[in-house]
Amino acid sequence: NAGVTQTPKFQVLKTGQSMTLQCAQDMNHEYMSWYRQDPGMGLRLIHYSVGAGITDQGEVPNGYNVSRSTTEDFPLRLLSAAPSQTSVYFCASRRAAMNTEAFFGQGTRLTVV
Amino acid sequence: DQQVKQNSPSLSVQEGRISILNCDYTNSMFDYFLWYKKYPAEGPTFLISISSIKDKNEDGRFTVFLNKSAKHLSLHIVPSQPGDSAVYFCAATLPTNAGGTSYGKLTFGQGTILTVHP
Repeated sequence: NAGVTQTPKFQVLKTGQSMTLQCAQDMNHEYMSWYRQDPGMGLRLIHYSVGAGITDQGEVPNGYNVSRSTTEDFPLRLLSAAPSQTSVYFCASRRAAMNTEAFFGQGTRLTVV
Repeated sequence: DQQVKQNSPSLSVQEGRISILNCDYTNSMFDYFLWYKKYPAEGPTFLISISSIKDKNEDGRFTVFLNKSAKHLSLHIVPSQPGDSAVYFCAATLPTNAGGTSYGKLTFGQGTILTVHP
């Protein structure tokens, strides 16, 4: 079972470059989310989606775009990378039902120089 | 506005003893609470959860307690083992009848680093 797959695992960007972090899930989950993890800050929600075509902002959305054209995929786009976006990014999916847990990908470690 | 808080950044415990990790929340609308465990270079993995209609849930060595009046939950690990050393996150969700799309969010605390010494 693949679960939630994130690519790439590691990435180094120069300031100003753009890139897309990929996230795919094969569990037919309706809910998907992107988080970033920074020391002392926990997991902060960037963007989330409750279904194909429906996205919303989390706590720290600035500098990131998302779209959800299919149930399976939820890519995160960095429009113009900044050093403040150096972080570890996690994608998660969850079934749309009461009292369900989220499943996480392995993470993408991004460094912006 | 940090709606879920873990005020202890770290906890050190001897093997065999009890580990108690704490979590506070401010939004009384949260109706489901979860604990996740995270090892370095891996994604968080689900550990245990509790619904707001309960005050305790047990799974082997792990027990979660919920005190709704105090808006506080705790995770007890008994007995603690060196393999339990990891970062522990608590998280909370809103009910599906919450406004807008907010029911789709899982809000996390800052995490507590647990170290269990042999």
